[in-house]
Amino acid sequence: KNQVEQSPQSLIILEGKNCTLQCNYTVSPFSNLRWYKQDTGRGPVSLTIMTFSENTKSNGRYTATLDADTKQSSLHITASQLSDSASYICVVRSNDYKLSFGAGTTVTVRA
Amino acid sequence: DTAVSQTPKYLVTQMGNDKSIKCEQNLGHDTMYWYKQDSKKFLKIMFSYNNKELIINETVPNRFSPKSPDKAHLNLHINSLELGDSAVYFCASSRTDGGLAKNIQYFGAGTRLSVL
Repeated sequence: KNQVEQSPQSLIILEGKNCTLQCNYTVSPFSNLRWYKQDTGRGPVSLTIMTFSENTKSNGRYTATLDADTKQSSLHITASQLSDSASYICVVRSNDYKLSFGAGTTVTVRA
Repeated sequence: DTAVSQTPKYLVTQMGNDKSIKCEQNLGHDTMYWYKQDSKKFLKIMFSYNNKELIINETVPNRFSPKSPDKAHLNLHINSLELGDSAVYFCASSRTDGGLAKNIQYFGAGTRLSVL
């Protein structure tokens, strides 16, 4: 069964600090991995999307990494802002177009 | 200008009723989806439609039925609502042709369904 595991489940950081979220997956055959940000009361919004040949991709203060060999990805948030408070969801797509979702990591940024 | 819009935003109803949630996208996408997000925030795909053809149908009760009058709309009908149907339902759309960037899904704001 394809699975996507995210850690930690939640974290609290102070404004201006950095943090890293983890995503481990067992999806096979792998097509691509996406990170989404979901604000409270909103739908998810795409941050990054990477194929197996891409090791890193940035979107502003968000940097995602991918190690297709170990089937691990991380999302690094630099110089966090209050607006970064949200759930971050890791989604892995297999070659047969099926999407597997992680349960998300809830990030709370405090002033 | 909303890319993916769904209505209503909130829906409160009693057990046993039949309800519908509407979804429209103006992005010219050829695939639309319905997701259910439970209280633990886990997103689970329910259906997807590509050019009016069902291509994914996860193990959801047949009380749920998607209806796609055209490529820009995918409505969700729910019959005989049960307490366990309470959740947030998200509509999304994407393009399945072209490069990787065009596979990104765009989500609506969600419909919070409460069954009493």
